[in-house]
Amino acid sequence: AQTVTQSQPEMSVQEAETVTLSCTYDTSESDYYLFWYKQPPSRQMILVIRQEAYKQQNATENRFSVNFQKAAKSFSLKISDSQLGDAAMYFCAINSGGYQKVTFGTGTKLQVIP
Amino acid sequence: KAGVTQTPRYLIKTRGQQVTLSCSPISGHRSVSWYQQTPGQGLQFLFEYFSETQRNKGNFPGRFSGRQFSNSRSEMNVSTLELGDSALYLCASSLQGRGADTQYFGPGTRLTVL
Repeated sequence: AQTVTQSQPEMSVQEAETVTLSCTYDTSESDYYLFWYKQPPSRQMILVIRQEAYKQQNATENRFSVNFQKAAKSFSLKISDSQLGDAAMYFCAINSGGYQKVTFGTGTKLQVIP
Repeated sequence: KAGVTQTPRYLIKTRGQQVTLSCSPISGHRSVSWYQQTPGQGLQFLFEYFSETQRNKGNFPGRFSGRQFSNSRSEMNVSTLELGDSALYLCASSLQGRGADTQYFGPGTRLTVL
């Protein structure tokens, strides 16, 4: 079984500032993949960033980066230079095992203040 | 390349009726997954299809079923609708449906059960 916990239902950040969204997970598998998805008000879910558990290096995608702490089972998302377009629900997700059966967290609603 | 498409986008049904939702994956993608999204339960995995075979199933009653066609298009059926089935149903496709594969989501079908 795999679980994902996002303890911050809502967060806000000033435009151009940095914000970190928290996520913890649990899985009994040694091979797994972690994801952050963004769901803007239009509802189309978009992949923000992904991390392979076997890679020690933290993934980065432009202004988005993760802090992957495997021993602590923590996978936080850092958004630098926040923009108005970053306002959305952010979901942390895990997929462990061979096939896709993704488990999502409950989401964090991010508000960006101009 | 066209994205994942879902039809219809909105649907209103009454209790006891049956509904069929359709999902067309990205060209070349052979795996299709379905998710139910509700404010109370969040995003929950329904099932995943690959090459016309259901490979994984979430914890949903038998009223929820699906199928995949030879062109990878997928349909999801809910019979004997209940009020609690009101939700956004998301479809996602990936190349092979492996744990490492990135899922691409469609815009969803908003189902309202009256």
